[in-house]
Amino acid sequence: DAKTTQPPSMDCAEGRAANLPCNHSTISGNEYVYWYRQIHSQGPQYIIHGLKNNETNEMASLIITEDRKSSTLILPHATLRDTAVYYCIVRVAHGAGSYQLTFGKGTKLSVIP
Amino acid sequence: KAGVTQTPRYLIKTRGQQVTLSCSPISGHRSVSWYQQTPGQGLQFLFEYFSETQRNKGNFPGRFSGRQFSNSRSEMNVSTLELGDSALYLCASSQLVSSTDTQYFGPGTRLTVL
Repeated sequence: DAKTTQPPSMDCAEGRAANLPCNHSTISGNEYVYWYRQIHSQGPQYIIHGLKNNETNEMASLIITEDRKSSTLILPHATLRDTAVYYCIVRVAHGAGSYQLTFGKGTKLSVIP
Repeated sequence: KAGVTQTPRYLIKTRGQQVTLSCSPISGHRSVSWYQQTPGQGLQFLFEYFSETQRNKGNFPGRFSGRQFSNSRSEMNVSTLELGDSALYLCASSQLVSSTDTQYFGPGTRLTVL
């Protein structure tokens, strides 16, 4: 699976949009971008994933560049409860085969009151 | 639908002992994966089970083992505990019905080895 690069930390004012970047310049055509977050000492929480089109769900939006070498996770109105470590993961899609998630160090997002 | 559950949530053991952790996947999920999280190494993959068979294994010593039952529940066992085994152990389940299947994590078991 392709490697990802994320800034180690970011701050965001409460109520503003949080934009978390991820670089995955070696991504290949069948690799998906997944985002998880982990609030202190809890299990990682799935947020969103995408291949090449922008995706939106109730939690966030995922913007993937046309060349697919980078993406941005957008939390539209950050709250204090969004303070967490955010992980960007690239993984190959499998039919029904086994896969593992390779976590990097992620981005520590701090939402400031 | 209930999420992934893990028991116990907290555990304290001493060096040399063994420990068994349990994971109940989301109903209908047949794949269970285990991860170890430590401050130094981050989140690392241990192994994955599907239909009672281990299909994938990370780079951990043989002291770490697991199994899956016919109802998809899974256990992992660590024998001859070492101080370095202190970690948050996470279990994740997935349906594996599509190529973009998502893993959903449980709350973890915090193991402390004294």
